[in-house]
Amino acid sequence: EDQVTQSPEALRLQEGESSSLNCSYTVSGLRGLFWYRQDPGKGPEFLFTLYSAGEEKEKERLKATLTKKESFLHITAPKPEDSATYLCAVPQGGSEKLVFGKGTKLTVNP
Amino acid sequence: KAGVTQTPRYLIKTRGQQVTLSCSPISGHRSVSWYQQTPGQGLQFLFEYFSETQRNKGNFPGRFSGRQFSNSRSEMNVSTLELGDSALYLCASSLSGPDQPQHFGDGTRLSIL
Repeated sequence: EDQVTQSPEALRLQEGESSSLNCSYTVSGLRGLFWYRQDPGKGPEFLFTLYSAGEEKEKERLKATLTKKESFLHITAPKPEDSATYLCAVPQGGSEKLVFGKGTKLTVNP
Repeated sequence: KAGVTQTPRYLIKTRGQQVTLSCSPISGHRSVSWYQQTPGQGLQFLFEYFSETQRNKGNFPGRFSGRQFSNSRSEMNVSTLELGDSALYLCASSLSGPDQPQHFGDGTRLSIL
């Protein structure tokens, strides 16, 4: 069965302190890996799609990378406004059904 | 470009009642998916519609149903509500294909008393 595991569950950083979030996946025939950001009371906001091992995507202070078994979301010099829950997901069985990890709750203190 | 719109934002119901939630997708998106989000289980897939046809279904009881209209707008219905149905229900739309990102609305918060 396709699975997505995210670690850590929660992460507290000081403003400017860089770190990485992990997303491990097991899926047959990866059709893409998606990263989302979710703020309290809001729906997930799409950040990146990664399609093949070695691919990297960047947006402001965020950079997502992909290997054959996991993806990393690197956060460089984070600011308090980066505080949110970050979710990763993969489509199951070549369908539109997304399997989500439980997310990493990131808190950035000023 | 307008995003995915879900109505209502909040609902309070009692056990045994039924509820209908509505979703208007991004213009041009024909695939609409529904998810249930709870603190314990996270985001779980309910079903996906394309061109008024259900293409994929998650592991939820038959009390959960949905439909899609010719303008791609979608509704989901939950009958005989149970306390455990309290959750955030999220709708997402996309261009068709598993490699296309799904874009989410802000959800409907359903509380069962």
